[in-house]
Amino acid sequence: EADIYQTPRYLVIGTGKKITLECSQTMGHDKMYWYQQDPGMELHLIHYSYGVNSTEKGDLSSESTVSRIRTEHFPLTLESARPSHTSQYLCASSETGGWSSGELFFGEGSRLTVL
Amino acid sequence: SQQGEEDPQALSIQEGENATMNCSYKTSINNLQWYRQNSGRGLVHLILIRSNEREKHSGRLRVTLDTSKKSSSLLITASRAADTASYFCATHFLLGGYNKLIFGAGTRLAVHP
Repeated sequence: EADIYQTPRYLVIGTGKKITLECSQTMGHDKMYWYQQDPGMELHLIHYSYGVNSTEKGDLSSESTVSRIRTEHFPLTLESARPSHTSQYLCASSETGGWSSGELFFGEGSRLTVL
Repeated sequence: SQQGEEDPQALSIQEGENATMNCSYKTSINNLQWYRQNSGRGLVHLILIRSNEREKHSGRLRVTLDTSKKSSSLLITASRAADTASYFCATHFLLGGYNKLIFGAGTRLAVHP
């Protein structure tokens, strides 16, 4: 089991609410990522971070924002949720050694439903 | 279209049979990785094969890579009901000097007792 944790696992909220999805890892990985995945579909990278105070947007445009104040913590925030944000959000981390030598470790995901 | 595409989209077999899933991609890669996802859960890394490797084994898993055809296959031998999951390939390559890891849409495998 990977030591990367996401909360909440499930969240149902109304339109216009602000939400934060938490992601924490205890493996000391510098690199962290957020993916968005609709049911039965591929994963899309929406944010990534190569270390503290480093955040970048991914391949899929997202209205969410992220922060990386501590190595182990990479929260994702939606200021005003809409039904189009309904999806599963997966957090992952990888070793500092780089892609070519390693793998991604994923959390269990946060399934968000916006009514 | 996406870098990695998997075939078939869904596969249904009986326990004990072998399951083969294929992945095709478009650009040159550094490595190709296979992940498994149980329904409603996160992804778990299964195996990584580098661009200079042609075949790799891990338990009941066998992965092949053909860089000339830009394709890979994942073979699960003697399948079990517990192998029921979605399987994703992910291709790693450089784009504009940055590392990229792109996932395919996955193959949904159902193994029936």
